[in-house]
Amino acid sequence: AQKITQTQPGMFVQEKEAVTLDCTYDTSDPSYGLFWYKQPSSGEMIFLIYQGSYDQQNATEGRYSLNFQKARKSANLVISASQLGDSAMYFCAIDNAGGTSYGKLTFGQGTILTVHP
Amino acid sequence: DADVTQTPRNRITKTGKRIMLECSQTKGHDRMYWYRQDPGLGLRLIYYSFDVKDINKGEISDGYSVSRQAQAKFSLSLESAIPNQTALYFCATSDFLGGTSNEQFFGPGTRLTVL
Repeated sequence: AQKITQTQPGMFVQEKEAVTLDCTYDTSDPSYGLFWYKQPSSGEMIFLIYQGSYDQQNATEGRYSLNFQKARKSANLVISASQLGDSAMYFCAIDNAGGTSYGKLTFGQGTILTVHP
Repeated sequence: DADVTQTPRNRITKTGKRIMLECSQTKGHDRMYWYRQDPGLGLRLIYYSFDVKDINKGEISDGYSVSRQAQAKFSLSLESAIPNQTALYFCATSDFLGGTSNEQFFGPGTRLTVL
C-alpha cells in the first residue's frame, strides 16, 4: 500500500522568502504520480503541481516547484517569494498506481503554512 | 458556475438518522470519488467510481454507501449516522489520461456534524 508522510505539522515563513514543505512517500510500484494540493481556510482543495515518477525534470508551476528525489522517495514542495495568500494547509498525495487503479489518491496529514508580513 | 458541486454545504443531524450527500459535476469526467477529512488525518478515500457501472470501496467504506446515478452524479449515504462520522466530506472527479497524471478536481466540501 502507498503511504505519504508529511513530518512538519506547521511551518512559518517571512513574506517574500522561499519555503520548503517536506513530503516522503512509500510505494512498491515503479509507476506513480505525486501531487500537491493547497487548502486555504475557506476549505476548498486547490491543485498546485504534479510530478510523475518517470519525469526526468522537476516539475515547476509559477512560484511552485517540486524537488523530486526519487532515490530518497521525497517530493518536497518549494514555494518561492512567499505571499500572505500562501498561508494555508498543504497536502502531498500519491496516485495509488497499480495496473488499472491509477487515480486513487493517498494523502499525507498536511502541513499548515503561515506567512508573516 | 462551479464544475463540481456538493449539496448540502453544511448539515447537522442526529445519531441514527439516514443522510445523503450529493455531488454533481459538469466536467464530463468518468471518475468520481468521495473523501472525508478529519483534523490531523488528511483526506481518506471512502468510495470511488471509474464509470457508471463501476463502484469500489476505498480505505474507509464501513458505514457508508454510494450510488452513481449518472456520469455526472455520485451520492454518498450514511445509513445510520454516528458521531465519529462528523467530518468534512469532499467529492472529486478526474479524467483518465492514462498513467498517473490524473489530477483530481474537488468540490467545495460538505461539513457534516452528527450529534
